[in-house]
Amino acid sequence: AQSVTQLGSHVSVSEGALVLLRCNYSSSVPPYLFWYVQYPNQGLQLLLKYTTGATLVKGINGFEAEFKKSETSFHLTKPSAHMSDAAEYFCAVSDQGTYKYIFGTGTRLKVLA
Amino acid sequence: GAGVSQSPRYKVAKRGQDVALRCDPISGHVSLFWYQQALGQGPEFLTYFQNEAQLDKSGLPSDRFFAERPEGSVSTLKIQRTQQEDSAVYLCASSLALGLANTGELFFGEGSRLTVL
Repeated sequence: AQSVTQLGSHVSVSEGALVLLRCNYSSSVPPYLFWYVQYPNQGLQLLLKYTTGATLVKGINGFEAEFKKSETSFHLTKPSAHMSDAAEYFCAVSDQGTYKYIFGTGTRLKVLA
Repeated sequence: GAGVSQSPRYKVAKRGQDVALRCDPISGHVSLFWYQQALGQGPEFLTYFQNEAQLDKSGLPSDRFFAERPEGSVSTLKIQRTQQEDSAVYLCASSLALGLANTGELFFGEGSRLTVL
């Protein structure tokens, strides 16, 4: 069965520092991969997704992620953190052509002034 | 509307009460999903509709949970005889695509937070 592991339930970075949020998945075939962000008391918003093609994917708000098949990873990065990036981030996976998402348990990002 | 709308945003129920949670998806979206998000966890799939047809209800935790989408637009998630373990945020999402085969993007509502006392 598909599963998603997000290492680190809480991550703190200083404003201006690199953001790295880790996501590993288990799947026998390359899945579709997603990162969603959830601000307090709001729904999930899509940051970026990988389906096929280029393995480095750019999303909104300066975030990007790289699909590494050999490492079964899809880590999320941003070169310089802003205070507004403080939120919870969820990695999700779905089998190609199916509708069922499997979400990780989330990583709460705190940005320190 | 511009986005997925859910109501009520907050619901407190006494154990044993029935509750109904409403989801109004983005106009024209074929696919509609319900997810349950427990405190400190990621969303977990409950059920999936394609238009008015409920194609998958494998994630519903018990027969106390029931969802419908009679006209292929608004959906209601009903929980009968609520229990404390039902306390969670219930998220609704919609998508234009059939089976997410092409875009893979879900648009989420803000959720309905259910607290069962």
